[in-house]
Amino acid sequence: DVKVTQSSRYLVKRTGEKVFLECVQDMDHENMFWYRQDPGLGLRLIYFSYDVKMKEKGDIPEGYSVSREKKERFSLILESASTNQTSMYLCASSSMGDAREPQHFGDGTRLSIL
Amino acid sequence: AQSVTQLGSHVSVSEGALVLLRCNYSSSVPPYLFWYVQYPNQGLQLLLKYTSAATLVKGINGFEAEFKKSETSFHLTKPSAHMSDAAEYFCAVLSGSARQLTFGSGTQLTVLP
Repeated sequence: DVKVTQSSRYLVKRTGEKVFLECVQDMDHENMFWYRQDPGLGLRLIYFSYDVKMKEKGDIPEGYSVSREKKERFSLILESASTNQTSMYLCASSSMGDAREPQHFGDGTRLSIL
Repeated sequence: AQSVTQLGSHVSVSEGALVLLRCNYSSSVPPYLFWYVQYPNQGLQLLLKYTSAATLVKGINGFEAEFKKSETSFHLTKPSAHMSDAAEYFCAVLSGSARQLTFGSGTQLTVLP
């Protein structure tokens, strides 16, 4: 089974802090994704990456950056955390080879910015 | 750009009753469509997927969905609801060269005893 592991289930940070969310997958997937989930809005794509050191903006990249130094690891960075970034963050991965293969999700990180 | 609309942010059914969760999509090309389920404090789990092989797709936990091109719909059904089906359900369409998913806003299913 594919395993996508997010480093923290719950995280509390303060406004202005630099925050790192880490995600690791064990299936050698090329694609990795970061979403945020808010009630009534579903999941919105922040950034994605289809290869090491490659990154593409999703629908809501403002206030975020990402890093992919190794194929299995994809980090989401909040450069200067703000209260409106309080949310659930979900990481996912998928194979580039077959479009029919689904994305596999981690359990999420619930981030609170105080 | 592809988009997904889920009608009804909250649906309540009695245990044993039919479950129907609605999803309509807009896509300029034949879509790949997915239903995911999210149990409390967990990530998303794939229920089923449509990839143009068959219009009626069977998934896990007794769920199925029918792709109707003429109606641009991909509604999720289950003949008899179980208490354990209470969760949030998301419809999604695949798009882009890197296989991004565009999600609907989700439907929270409540199963009443």
